[in-house]
Amino acid sequence: QKEVEQDPGPLSVPEGAIVSLNCTYSNSAFQYFMWYRQYSRKGPELLMYTYSSGNKEDGRFTAQVDKSSKYISLFIRDSQPSDSATYLCAGGRGSNYKLTFGKGTLLTVNP
Amino acid sequence: EADIYQTPRYLVIGTGKKITLECSQTMGHDKMYWYQQDPGMELHLIHYSYGVNSTEKGDLSSESTVSRIRTEHFPLTLESARPSHTSQYLCASRAGGLGNEQYFGPGTRLTVT
Repeated sequence: QKEVEQDPGPLSVPEGAIVSLNCTYSNSAFQYFMWYRQYSRKGPELLMYTYSSGNKEDGRFTAQVDKSSKYISLFIRDSQPSDSATYLCAGGRGSNYKLTFGKGTLLTVNP
Repeated sequence: EADIYQTPRYLVIGTGKKITLECSQTMGHDKMYWYQQDPGMELHLIHYSYGVNSTEKGDLSSESTVSRIRTEHFPLTLESARPSHTSQYLCASRAGGLGNEQYFGPGTRLTVT
């Protein structure tokens, strides 16, 4: 079983839609979770970083972690064509910061 | 924007050649990482370093080697490239301690013919 599972999509939504991206993980030792956005031919950039269960909001983005069910989500409100990218979830543990990534979900927001 | 650079961005090279992928960061970060990413697949950690003269192999076995002689520089070398090495290679760095962001470079897309 992979430590982080993510539906690769692709996911296509109209502009303005609410997008829900999800991952599950199996490693109970994960202490923190991240969502990265990766545009084509670019390196990933960090969107959200959470330590504990609950919600964290930043503008149009909300990250949700449920450690009891080992489930993490990213919600994008009022999605824009510029949000079209691959979204990667990751879990990590310890100060050595070795991250384990999911496969990524390809999102297309259509104008 | 992150100050982490990778060269070359694209490389097409023949089998058997020795190659070095360059990675530099100007943020003074102690921790640096190399990931391998194939299309539609996860990023896999292949090497990491916690500081000068410190290097470790990652979770994915790789025939590449790395060195960390200077804080800002973390090159990756393949002594004899093979078609199976065709992939995207991403370098990343971060400052020590929890809560610090890991920054990625733009990547090197390597094709071995």
